[in-house]
Amino acid sequence: GIQVEQSPPDLILQEGANSTLRCNFSDSVNNLQWFHQNPWGQLINLFYIPSGTKQNGRLSATTVATERYSLLYISSSQTTDSGVYFCAVENYGQNFVFGPGTRLSVLP
Amino acid sequence: ETGVTQSPTHLIKTRGQQVTLRCSSQSGHNTVSWYQQALGQGPQFIFQYYREEENGRGNFPPRFSGLQFPNYSSELNVNALELDDSALYLCASNVAADDAREQFFGPGTRLTVL
Repeated sequence: GIQVEQSPPDLILQEGANSTLRCNFSDSVNNLQWFHQNPWGQLINLFYIPSGTKQNGRLSATTVATERYSLLYISSSQTTDSGVYFCAVENYGQNFVFGPGTRLSVLP
Repeated sequence: ETGVTQSPTHLIKTRGQQVTLRCSSQSGHNTVSWYQQALGQGPQFIFQYYREEENGRGNFPPRFSGLQFPNYSSELNVNALELDDSALYLCASNVAADDAREQFFGPGTRLTVL
């Protein structure tokens, strides 16, 4: 099945800093999503982005499907951005597979 | 538009017991999927239901079973509970369309097996 890797596994930032999270996947996909999991376990949809670039406020994402990677950019980070960020992909009717996540800590 | 809801929020069971978790899909969605998330890991796919039929299954034993009802709500049943079944169980729903496959997740049920 498809493999999903995320980097870095852990990231510590000072409030106001920018960061880039990366997701690599091993096969073509027809669905790629970025999620933020809050401390209570809720997975919050950030982007549905099987290809192209999207922006939502301080967050933006780019997926280069032909090169099998996606990037999540967080600008001017805030303490409320802390948590685990997951990338998940679907390979044309197969299972929706999550990466291991990037744990982000934003310090005041 | 109503989002995905799950019940109960928390549950404590003992080894060998059986448990049923419930999920209501987001309005307009016809596909529901269940995931298990152990502490410190990403969610793992258990199975998916589309129009009341199982439509894919992950690497989970048969004691994990499910149902989808005509209103697209769903149940996850786990028999003969084991300690390793302690996890956050997440339900997700989506529309099964080629150009609209975004999944939306419920808040989860945290199961503890003692």
